Amino acid sequence: AQSVAQPEDQVNVAEGNPLTVKCTYSVSGNPYLFWYVQYPNRGLQFLLKYITGDNLVKGSYGFEAEFNKSQTSFHLKKPSALVSDSALYFCAVRGGPSGSARQLTFGSGTQLTVLP
Amino acid sequence: DGGITQSPKYLFRKEGQNVTLSCEQNLNHDAMYWYRQDPGQGLRLIYYSQIVNDFQKGDIAEGYSVSREKKESFPLTVTSAQKNPTAFYLCASSIEEGLGTYEQYFGPGTRLTVT
Repeated sequence: AQSVAQPEDQVNVAEGNPLTVKCTYSVSGNPYLFWYVQYPNRGLQFLLKYITGDNLVKGSYGFEAEFNKSQTSFHLKKPSALVSDSALYFCAVRGGPSGSARQLTFGSGTQLTVLP
Repeated sequence: DGGITQSPKYLFRKEGQNVTLSCEQNLNHDAMYWYRQDPGQGLRLIYYSQIVNDFQKGDIAEGYSVSREKKESFPLTVTSAQKNPTAFYLCASSIEEGLGTYEQYFGPGTRLTVT
């Protein structure tokens, strides 16, 4: 069964500093991995995805993620954090607990707070 | 939130009443999904539909029902059989898989409160 883990419920970082939001995954087969961001009382916005190819994936708003197959990780990064990056971040993998290939399985989310 | 609309944004119901949440998309996407979001639990799949007139149960389908009579619309009914219906409900859609894209796009959500 597919699963993702976000080991940190909360990440705090100072504005201008680099940020990392961690995600590890467990899948059968090749992983299709995604990052989403959610602002309060809003839907999820797609940031980036890894399907195949280069291990460093670039996405929206200056975010990037590094796929590491040996460590089964897909950490989200940004070189210089902005206060406006403060939000809830979700990692997801394609596939579900019951074996459905079309659904996404989400981590529990990491609340990122960027301090001015 | 792209071309997916959900209405209403906030919904209040009394226990024992059925309620229907609306989801409409103008992205011409084939697949549509309903997720439930509870604090600290991420998103859990309720139902999904890959084509019109066809849908499958997700991980937490009990107490919910759906229909897919049109490509653009995928309404969710929360029935009185759902034991803990108070939650934030998110609708999503995705394009045909053969085009090589797998991400889902989400609507703004409906917050349902049942008392």
